[in-house]
Amino acid sequence: GAGVSQSPSNKVTEKGKDVELRCDPISGHTALYWYRQSLGQGLEFLIYFQGNSAPDKSGLPSDRFSAERTGGSVSTLTIQRTQQEDSAVYLCASKGQPMNTEAFFGQGTRLTVV
Amino acid sequence: KNEVEQSPQNLTAQEGEFITINCSYSVGISALHWLQQHPGGGIVSLFMLSSGKKKHGRLIATINIQEKHSSLHITASHPRDSAVYICAVRILVFGAGTILRVKS
Repeated sequence: GAGVSQSPSNKVTEKGKDVELRCDPISGHTALYWYRQSLGQGLEFLIYFQGNSAPDKSGLPSDRFSAERTGGSVSTLTIQRTQQEDSAVYLCASKGQPMNTEAFFGQGTRLTVV
Repeated sequence: KNEVEQSPQNLTAQEGEFITINCSYSVGISALHWLQQHPGGGIVSLFMLSSGKKKHGRLIATINIQEKHSSLHITASHPRDSAVYICAVRILVFGAGTILRVKS
């Protein structure tokens, strides 16, 4: 597609369940980022993939959060045993080469944990 | 102290006014980004700066690497400019955002 695509756009889940959020970056973009934006809050970096390098996981808030990127393209963010405080919009962005270029953001997945 | 600080937090302007949003940062930088987020909408990248100045239409972004400071200017502001403007270092560390409202 032409832009960064995220699915689902909305997800309601029960506390304690696992969820998977998907990000399809722009084709050919080597860098992929995941962020979280809680209601009324700023953007919070979660994890960053760059090519075949080990991901930068320094922003993940707990070991319930994990992400993988298969084949250098699609990425999945998994939240295990969801808690109410996980409710937020989860955003994905991708960047191409050279690295000093603009980032393109997806529309986000709004996660509500009830 | 936050690593990326923006000011003001909120800004209300009259249509046609010149607007400036400031960003100061304390982290190392290879690039600074200005982002725009409309209510209920997605995030759009406005600028990516590593030095100097860039201009797109009515928007101008400047950066002073020595002073660790960047500014976003909007000339001849319009109600459709109403949005949250976010400064980000390497799109890894974000400012809290500036909520801009332009009244007609």
